[in-house]
Amino acid sequence: GAGVSQSPRYKVAKRGQDVALRCDPISGHVSLFWYQQALGQGPEFLTYFQNEAQLDKSGLPSDRFFAERPEGSVSTLKIQRTQQEDSAVYLCASSLVGLAGEQFFGPGTRLTVL
Amino acid sequence: GQQVMQIPQYQHVQEGEDFTTYCNSSTTLSNIQWYKQRPGGHPVFLIQLVKSGEVKKQKRLTFQFGEAKKNSSLHITATQTTDVGTYFCLVYNAGNMLTFGGGTRLMVKP
Repeated sequence: GAGVSQSPRYKVAKRGQDVALRCDPISGHVSLFWYQQALGQGPEFLTYFQNEAQLDKSGLPSDRFFAERPEGSVSTLKIQRTQQEDSAVYLCASSLVGLAGEQFFGPGTRLTVL
Repeated sequence: GQQVMQIPQYQHVQEGEDFTTYCNSSTTLSNIQWYKQRPGGHPVFLIQLVKSGEVKKQKRLTFQFGEAKKNSSLHITATQTTDVGTYFCLVYNAGNMLTFGGGTRLMVKP
């Protein structure tokens, strides 16, 4: 079956632009996670959804970051007024069960802010 | 806050040598997962450990959870070039905080 997909795979934005990153989880997976991974670092937790409910957004670095999953399936991570420090790979993962289940990762979106 | 340290950061080995990476937490963990990320790829789940002192094996890989549930190790016996990648631990504490370690990058010389 299909895995987790993310789009776009690559995004170049000028500083100050808004961007929207999409994640299509595995069908039927309850949990969805967003991570930010800088080059050579481990993924940093951003936010977690269980179905449509955003249960934890403690990792979002600022109020410029916003995530939603309105129907409990596809999720969008939006970054407003992008800054150079937002440049990173944004990974989405989904899990069949709750917070502590095996996570299936998408290929990521590489965001470069010029 | 929760701190997770993985050591070493990098490891070069000759093909056939053994490799071990360690994941150490400042707080007691409810469970721990290990992932492998190939260069240019995304993390792929390897194993989950839940019980104190638990040991699990997958072919040449051995995973261990410490008795105090604050640390874990991943050991690879007789490394192969296909083992190249970065190995991450993902820890969960009692407060449901989840944190990735910084990873150990394994390089294998054929």
